Amino acid sequence: AQSVTQLGSHVSVSEGALVLLRCNYSSSVPPYLFWYVQYPNQGLQLLLKYTSAATLVKGINGFEAEFKKSETSFHLTKPSAHMSDAAEYFCAVSELTGGFKTIFGAGTRLFVKA
Amino acid sequence: DGGITQSPKYLFRKEGQNVTLSCEQNLNHDAMYWYRQDPGQGLRLIYYSQIVNDFQKGDIAEGYSVSREKKESFPLTVTSAQKNPTAFYLCASSIVGTSGNQPQHFGDGTRLSIL
Repeated sequence: AQSVTQLGSHVSVSEGALVLLRCNYSSSVPPYLFWYVQYPNQGLQLLLKYTSAATLVKGINGFEAEFKKSETSFHLTKPSAHMSDAAEYFCAVSELTGGFKTIFGAGTRLFVKA
Repeated sequence: DGGITQSPKYLFRKEGQNVTLSCEQNLNHDAMYWYRQDPGQGLRLIYYSQIVNDFQKGDIAEGYSVSREKKESFPLTVTSAQKNPTAFYLCASSIVGTSGNQPQHFGDGTRLSIL
C-alpha cells in the first residue's frame, strides 16, 4: 500500500520568509500527488496536484511543489509567507485499490509570525 | 454555487444514542467519501461510494453505517457501537475518472461531541 509522510507536524516561519513543507511518498509506480490546505473548522481545499505533465506544479495562493522521483518527494514551497497562510497542510497520494482511494499524510500546521 | 453541504456543524451525542450526519452535494459527482479527523492523525477513511446504492468500507468502518439512495446524498450514522465518536467528520466528493488524478471536494465538516 502507498503511504505519505509529512516531516514536521508544526512549522513556524516569519512573515516574508520562505515556506517549505516536506512530503515523501512510497509508491512503486508513478503516483498522483496532491496538496490540500485546511483553515480552522473548515474542510480541505485543493492547493495543487501533480499528474506527470510537469515536475514543477504551480498552485493557488503562490504555492508550488516539485516532484522528485529520485527522492520520492513532493515538497510544497512559497517564496514569501503571509499571515493568511497560517493553516494546516496535507499531502496526499492516490492509490489504485478497487477504484482510486486517496491516502492523506498526518498534516503540517504552519504558523506565521509577524 | 456548486459545493458540498454538511449539517449540522456541531452535534452532541448522549451515550448509547445513534446520530446521523448529513452530506449533500450539487457537483454531480459520482463518488462520495466520509473521513474522520483527529488531532495529529490526518484523515482516516470511514466509508466511500462510487455509485448510487453501492458503498465500501474504508479503514475505520466499525461503529458507522452509511446509505447512498441518491447521487446527491451520502448520510453517515454514528452508532452506539462506536466507542470513541468524538471527532471532526468530513464529507467529500469527486469525479470517478479512469486515473487517480481527480481531486476531492470537501464540505466544512461536522464536529461531534459526547455529552
